[in-house]
Amino acid sequence: AQKVTQAQTEISVVEKEDVTLDCVYETRDTTYYLFWYKQPPSGELVFLIRRNSFDEQNEISGRYSWNFQKSTSSFNFTITASQVVDSAVYFCALSEETSGSRLTFGEGTQLTVNP
Amino acid sequence: DAGVIQSPRHEVTEMGQEVTLRCKPISGHDYLFWYRQTMMRGLELLIYFNNNVPIDDSGMPEDRFSAKMPNASFSTLKIQPSEPRDSAVYFCASSSPTSGEETQYFGPGTRLLVL
Repeated sequence: AQKVTQAQTEISVVEKEDVTLDCVYETRDTTYYLFWYKQPPSGELVFLIRRNSFDEQNEISGRYSWNFQKSTSSFNFTITASQVVDSAVYFCALSEETSGSRLTFGEGTQLTVNP
Repeated sequence: DAGVIQSPRHEVTEMGQEVTLRCKPISGHDYLFWYRQTMMRGLELLIYFNNNVPIDDSGMPEDRFSAKMPNASFSTLKIQPSEPRDSAVYFCASSSPTSGEETQYFGPGTRLLVL
């Protein structure tokens, strides 16, 4: 069965600090997809990134970067030089090829960036 | 594209009343998902459709919940009769994995409060 664990329930940082959000997943499939979504205080779920299991290249998008390591079943998300607008709940999610397209979400990490 | 559209955005009703939530997926997407978000259970999949056909409804809490997708551009989630424990945010999402679009894009959600 698929499972996603985000051990950090809440993180609080001061603006301009770097912060890493952890995500560990469990799956028996060899083909799967990993996602990060952002849920700002307004409540919508905003897609940030998708990675498939065959692509372990790390990715950088502006201040955001993602580190995918199959050896440790982790897909961590780093925000560099955090800003107040980064304050949100961040969800890591997994979908397995054999489970249709269903997403299994982690519990989410509440990130608060203080000025 | 307008993205996934949900209505109403907010719904307040009294216990025992029927509630109907509506969703319009992104044009061309052949998968549609209904999720529920609560503090206690996080984000959980209720049901999903492929080409308007329900594929997995194992997440539907009980017989009071029903979902339909009469055509490719419209789906409803109905609760009858509603109960206070149904209070949650209900999200609709769509994707098109058959076209290589594995990412699920979410609507803004419907905040339901059952008094």
